[in-house]
Amino acid sequence: ETGVTQTPRHLVMGMTNKKSLKCEQHLGHNAMYWYKQSAKKPLELMFVYNFKEQTENNSVPSRFSPECPNSSHLFLHLHTLQPEDSALYLCASSQGLAGVEETQYFGPGTRLLVL
Amino acid sequence: AQKITQTQPGMFVQEKEAVTLDCTYDTSDPSYGLFWYKQPSSGEMIFLIYQGSYDQQNATEGRYSLNFQKARKSANLVISASQLGDSAMYFCAMTRGQNFVFGPGTRLSVLP
Repeated sequence: ETGVTQTPRHLVMGMTNKKSLKCEQHLGHNAMYWYKQSAKKPLELMFVYNFKEQTENNSVPSRFSPECPNSSHLFLHLHTLQPEDSALYLCASSQGLAGVEETQYFGPGTRLLVL
Repeated sequence: AQKITQTQPGMFVQEKEAVTLDCTYDTSDPSYGLFWYKQPSSGEMIFLIYQGSYDQQNATEGRYSLNFQKARKSANLVISASQLGDSAMYFCAMTRGQNFVFGPGTRLSVLP
């Protein structure tokens, strides 16, 4: 495996379900990110982790719960979601947070549909 | 606050021709980075090219070049010799503190 991988690629869930999205990066990076991409809206940053520590929570509702057990893995736990949470969820990683040259590399995303 | 504007919701280009995708930005930071990403229908955001605010020369990566005009706060992406596989959404982004802010994107369609 190379780059950034995400599973599952597609997910359909009811509003009462609990599910988790997984992201893994094979680039040796230290920072990882969750983004939400809704139709006709710019990418929205949700969470940022650097060396497993959360450095940013962009006013995300508590029904989204991130977990970063190590620098290579990032999870997004979902519970009691709403239909408006249906979107493409993208994971990204970068070497670090500091500096304006820090490129973020993205995974293929998980397309989530909440019924 | 940093902001990215991409005024072209959609663009068409004939195969093998060049196309320019516009990006303007607003920031008060003295130092910043500008990025372009490609997003095919599969969803993955693919990094294309980077330009630093203090770079003297425009960035180039294969068929991609960035027309950076700092005074105008613009960072347009030029794709030369368009290919059918270039059809995708294209996003301009810039650094905001330790994170990114993205523009709304431009959908490019390459016609055979």
